[in-house]
Amino acid sequence: RKEVEQDPGPFNVPEGATVAFNCTYSNSASQSFFWYRQDCRKEPKLLMSVYSSGNEDGRFTAQLNRASQYISLLIRDSKLSDSATYLCAARRDMRFGAGTRLTVKP
Amino acid sequence: ETGVTQTPRHLVMGMTNKKSLKCEQHLGHNAMYWYKQSAKKPLELMFVYSLEERVENNSVPSRFSPECPNSSHLFLHLHTLQPEDSALYLCASSPILYRGANEQFFGPGTRLTVL
Repeated sequence: RKEVEQDPGPFNVPEGATVAFNCTYSNSASQSFFWYRQDCRKEPKLLMSVYSSGNEDGRFTAQLNRASQYISLLIRDSKLSDSATYLCAARRDMRFGAGTRLTVKP
Repeated sequence: ETGVTQTPRHLVMGMTNKKSLKCEQHLGHNAMYWYKQSAKKPLELMFVYSLEERVENNSVPSRFSPECPNSSHLFLHLHTLQPEDSALYLCASSPILYRGANEQFFGPGTRLTVL
């Protein structure tokens, strides 16, 4: 089993939609998790940190389920500018998932 | 943003060349990392340095040789690479290694093509 797994997508959604991604991790000792956003041919940039049960920042909500060993990212009211690849990372191992590609269409 | 810089941004080299990638962080961080990102694959952690000491080497071929002369600079020396080594090489830094609230900041990457 891969250390961090993500649904690669792609997710194609209309503007204004709500979309959610999941990310599973294999190392139960992992304590902190991160969601990064990566635009085409650019470096990953930190979107949100997830340390306890969850975190919310505007239209973005990240949740952690330790029992099932997954984290999720919920994006509400999607904007065209949200189109990107979203990477999750388990900080303990410094491992990243392969990323989920999101395209928001007009 | 200039927190983590990488040079060169693009590099084309033959299999017999020797080149080096440079990374510099201006954030006062103590940990630095090299990642390889190939198309449609996860970021692969290559090397980890904490306070100039290598703490992790993830079965990376010896044709990749890292160097960390101080906590602000990290190099990746390349020699006799293979075409499959073509990828985006990303450098990252974080405040302290192995601490929970410790997000990584990435440089813009070097896009390497091996002919």
